[in-house]
Amino acid sequence: GAVVSQHPSRVICKSGTSVKIECRSLDFQATTMFWYRQFPKQSLMLMATSNEGSKATYEQGVEKDKFLINHASLTLSTLTVTSAHPEDSSFYICSARDPAGPGNTIYFGEGSWLTVV
Amino acid sequence: SQKIEQNSEALNIQEGKTATLTCNYTNYSPAYLQWYRQDPGRGPVFLLLIRENEKEKRKERLKVTFDTTLKQSLFHITASQPADSATYLCALGGGATNKLIFGTGTLLAVQP
Repeated sequence: GAVVSQHPSRVICKSGTSVKIECRSLDFQATTMFWYRQFPKQSLMLMATSNEGSKATYEQGVEKDKFLINHASLTLSTLTVTSAHPEDSSFYICSARDPAGPGNTIYFGEGSWLTVV
Repeated sequence: SQKIEQNSEALNIQEGKTATLTCNYTNYSPAYLQWYRQDPGRGPVFLLLIRENEKEKRKERLKVTFDTTLKQSLFHITASQPADSATYLCALGGGATNKLIFGTGTLLAVQP
């Protein structure tokens, strides 16, 4: 079946540095991908909608200059956390919509744990 | 503002019983509703989708109902097993952007 892959699964970075997380759709072309963050024991909070070939649409309260999203191809979207701070430590999850799938088929990646020290 | 609430932070039931989870929403008219399972430290896994014009959907031991008048969905797991223990999330979708908004989640623990 369709698979969405995230990399890295875990990353530790120093405060003030930037870190990039990749989200790939492995066997389908995703015109739309979504980025979420999840704090422990809380639900997924939508950060932004990533559209291939155009600018991402950010949710209210999400800093677009801090969380840079690039969707340069139909199978890859990247999230770059710039000038990371300890409060950015979280579980980041991407999802991708399969336009050829039945209904509104959305597949989630396994998530990426970011720890900023 | 839009709000999606799921029943109680944790639900404990005995193996073999039916687990019933609730998803209530306000200020939203979703075109469809989905249920996901999430294990600790993992991404959500899709379980079922039900559309606004559907009342009920079944898949093996799972059953979902959708009442757009009450703005509520119920998720049932029959003959529950310890392996069903996980967090279950409801998510609403539709609208111009067709984005998926998640509920607060319910932690289900099935005791052997």
